[in-house]
Amino acid sequence: SAVISQKPSRDICQRGTSLTIQCQVDSQVTMMFWYRQQPGQSLTLIATANQGSEATYESGFVIDKFPISRPNLTFSTLTVSNMSPEDSSIYLCSVPGVGNYGYTFGSGTRLTVV
Amino acid sequence: ELKVEQNPLFLSMQEGKNYTIYCNYSTTSDRLYWYRQDPGKSLESLFVLLSNGAVKQEGRLMASLDTKARLSTLHITAAVHDLSATYFCAVVMGYALNFGKGTSLLVTP
Repeated sequence: SAVISQKPSRDICQRGTSLTIQCQVDSQVTMMFWYRQQPGQSLTLIATANQGSEATYESGFVIDKFPISRPNLTFSTLTVSNMSPEDSSIYLCSVPGVGNYGYTFGSGTRLTVV
Repeated sequence: ELKVEQNPLFLSMQEGKNYTIYCNYSTTSDRLYWYRQDPGKSLESLFVLLSNGAVKQEGRLMASLDTKARLSTLHITAAVHDLSATYFCAVVMGYALNFGKGTSLLVTP
């Protein structure tokens, strides 16, 4: 299964600023997914990122707030823009599994907005 | 809209006891995943169930899938403290995983 390097692992940011989260995969993948996990909650899909096309956002998430880049088949970034305390969450990237392997997740970015 | 429902959401059980976590989903799918999450950590893949009737076991955990009933179970046998974690089931819709709310499991002496 793929291995994902995600960074930063955590950050404390001032409200109104932006943070860019990076995910690097050790193999080429067509799709990458970005999730948000609010404190004590489950994972919610933010968007699907395909290389060479704009990301597809889920209901409740917009490109202006969560711009995503996918410059090649092994890398993606998610930016959390104009942050407010409500954005404090863990953000995770993921790639599909193959065959009997589950989807792989990055180690997560724990974001605190103050 | 796909709904994935887990129950119970919270489970406190004594070491040595058995218990089952249930995962119901609302749309046709033949792929279901179980994950474990420890506090402050990412998700660890436990089981991938790819067909009706699939059963997989790893240690004290056994997962099964009934696609006709749209139901998966995660059975815990003779629980130990190390199994304390949050367990999520997830179903593919489109290409992405859609998660249940998770079951927070605490195993006590």
